[in-house]
Amino acid sequence: QKEVEQDPGPLSVPEGAIVSLNCTYSNSAFQYFMWYRQYSRKGPELLMYTYSSGNKEDGRFTAQVDKSSKYISLFIRDSQPSDSATYLCAMRRYSSASKIIFGSGTRLSIRP
Amino acid sequence: GAVVSQHPSRVICKSGTSVKIECRSLDFQATTMFWYRQFPKQSLMLMATSNEGSKATYEQGVEKDKFLINHASLTLSTLTVTSAHPEDSSFYICSARIRDGANTGELFFGEGSRLTVL
Repeated sequence: QKEVEQDPGPLSVPEGAIVSLNCTYSNSAFQYFMWYRQYSRKGPELLMYTYSSGNKEDGRFTAQVDKSSKYISLFIRDSQPSDSATYLCAMRRYSSASKIIFGSGTRLSIRP
Repeated sequence: GAVVSQHPSRVICKSGTSVKIECRSLDFQATTMFWYRQFPKQSLMLMATSNEGSKATYEQGVEKDKFLINHASLTLSTLTVTSAHPEDSSFYICSARIRDGANTGELFFGEGSRLTVL
């Protein structure tokens, strides 16, 4: 079993829709949770960063962490064609030396 | 956010040659840098962790003599693919972790380097 599971998609939704992206994980020691966006042939860009459980909102993006279920989500409101990219979840334990584990990424396409 | 610069962005070389890729943190110090490899439509595969002033730590299955990593300063790490072969063709991405006391450990990525070995 992989430490982090993420549906690879592709996920295609119409412009303006609410997008829900999810990851599950198996290691209860993970404390930091991140979402990265990667455009084709580019390096990943950090979108959201949360510590432990709870919600965090930044503009059209909301990250949720449910440690009891080992489940994290990224919601995108009012989706735009420019949001079309691969979204990677990532997580690590508390120690600053801990390795970051990435999900396989979900390819998202927003149809105009 | 912090800026990580990676160079070259694209390189084509003949089989048997060596290729060096540079990763620089432009506006912060990075005691730790990471090198990843990414195949088309797949996630990032960590190759090695590069610590300033010490030897890199390689992941299982990654040949340290094939992929030479040097982290000579707090702002520069290099990856050299030695005696490259077509199967080494891939997208190589570096990332850096900010050196601070907050222990947030955020990673900032370079733009990636696409290596094509003929």
